[in-house]
Amino acid sequence: EVRLLESGGTLVQPGGSLRLSCAASGFTFGNYAMAWVRQAPGEGLEWVSSISATDGTTSYADSVKGRFTISRDNNKNKLFLQMNSLRVEDTAVYYCATYSASWHVPEFDYWGQGTLAIVSS
Amino acid sequence: QMTQSPSSLSASVGDRVTITCRASQNILTYLNWYQQKPGKAPKLLIDSVSNLQSGVPSRFSGSGSGTDFTLSISDLQPEDFATYYCQQSYTTSPITFGQGTRLEIK
Repeated sequence: EVRLLESGGTLVQPGGSLRLSCAASGFTFGNYAMAWVRQAPGEGLEWVSSISATDGTTSYADSVKGRFTISRDNNKNKLFLQMNSLRVEDTAVYYCATYSASWHVPEFDYWGQGTLAIVSS
Repeated sequence: QMTQSPSSLSASVGDRVTITCRASQNILTYLNWYQQKPGKAPKLLIDSVSNLQSGVPSRFSGSGSGTDFTLSISDLQPEDFATYYCQQSYTTSPITFGQGTRLEIK
């Protein structure tokens, strides 16, 4: 059974930093691209960032480019999101999600339960 | 950019409903649909316009190509009341979702 378990969400002040983690199990983690998708309270889904399976290719939404860094450890089956220079508008539930197949056709077939990051003074 | 309509919809059990998603450019058939229930993660329902994921009831169907797409649900069941999102998979970045359509019980 595929399982994705996010952690690291908490309350942080504007301008602060946070590191989210996603622990994966039940599949060959190193074979799949991964993504972070967020959802602000009462709002829709917003793609944040993606990372390829093995070659380290990354991509970011314009809203987080230069502030967030996605990474992964295929030996430990973990995905990370380093979030710096946080803004109030970054407040959201952050989901990690797996690409169902190819990096070139991004569709997300497994999702974690999400971790809530609150940016507030 | 993906634009869904309506943003909310009220219907009764047994009804048939249709949700529309319009892309700002031709995305061929790279269009997926997700269902999200309150407090839960999204669930992939349909990929590539009309390919139902395993376990998704056949009352769900998708159609379209290019810029205009629809998700239809026939014979609505209580468990279908949720928010639905379209998402384009034509571009690897940015990956864009529609703003969502909330389907409520009338």
